[in-house]
Amino acid sequence: AQSVTQLDSQVPVFEEAPVELRCNYSSSVSVYLFWYVQYPNQGLQLLLKYLSGSTLVKGINGFEAEFNKSQTSFHLRKPSVHISDTAEYFCAVSEWQGAQKLVFGQGTRLTINP
Amino acid sequence: DAGVIQSPRHEVTEMGQEVTLRCKPISGHNSLFWYRQTMMRGLELLIYFNNNVPIDDSGMPEDRFSAKMPNASFSTLKIQPSEPRDSAVYFCASSLRTSGGLDTQYFGPGTRLTVL
Repeated sequence: AQSVTQLDSQVPVFEEAPVELRCNYSSSVSVYLFWYVQYPNQGLQLLLKYLSGSTLVKGINGFEAEFNKSQTSFHLRKPSVHISDTAEYFCAVSEWQGAQKLVFGQGTRLTINP
Repeated sequence: DAGVIQSPRHEVTEMGQEVTLRCKPISGHNSLFWYRQTMMRGLELLIYFNNNVPIDDSGMPEDRFSAKMPNASFSTLKIQPSEPRDSAVYFCASSLRTSGGLDTQYFGPGTRLTVL
């Protein structure tokens, strides 16, 4: 079975500062990795996903994430945040080879201060 | 294109009443997922369907919960009888399952259920 740990429940950042949201996963098999964003009172929207190949994945809204197999991590980064990035961010994992179940972390609330 | 549509967006009911949540997946998608989000337990997968057939319902909390997908464009999640601990946001998601095995799930806006 897989599990996901998001190491920070809340991250406050000033506007235009860089940010990193941390995610570690546990699995006995190879996995796919995802980051989703949830804006207030909305559903989840896919930011980016890692399938295979290059360990640096670029997503929407200027976000990127790096897969590190040895550290079983998939941290999300943005070099300069905006007020509009205020949201909850979820890291998720699913098994390779046919499994469809997504296992989510508990979420990290990113708050951007002016 | 319309995304995943859920109704109602908000539901307030009293303990013991039957609650039915509805979902219309994205046209052409062949997989549908029901999730529940609470502060305590985060996002949990309740059940998912492929081609209208339930594949895994191991996340359904108990017999009070049931889900159906009578056709490719409609699914329901029913709680009978409802209890206060069922209060949560319920999300529906859909995806196009391909032979490669990876499908991106697209989420609806959710139904916020409050059971008094």
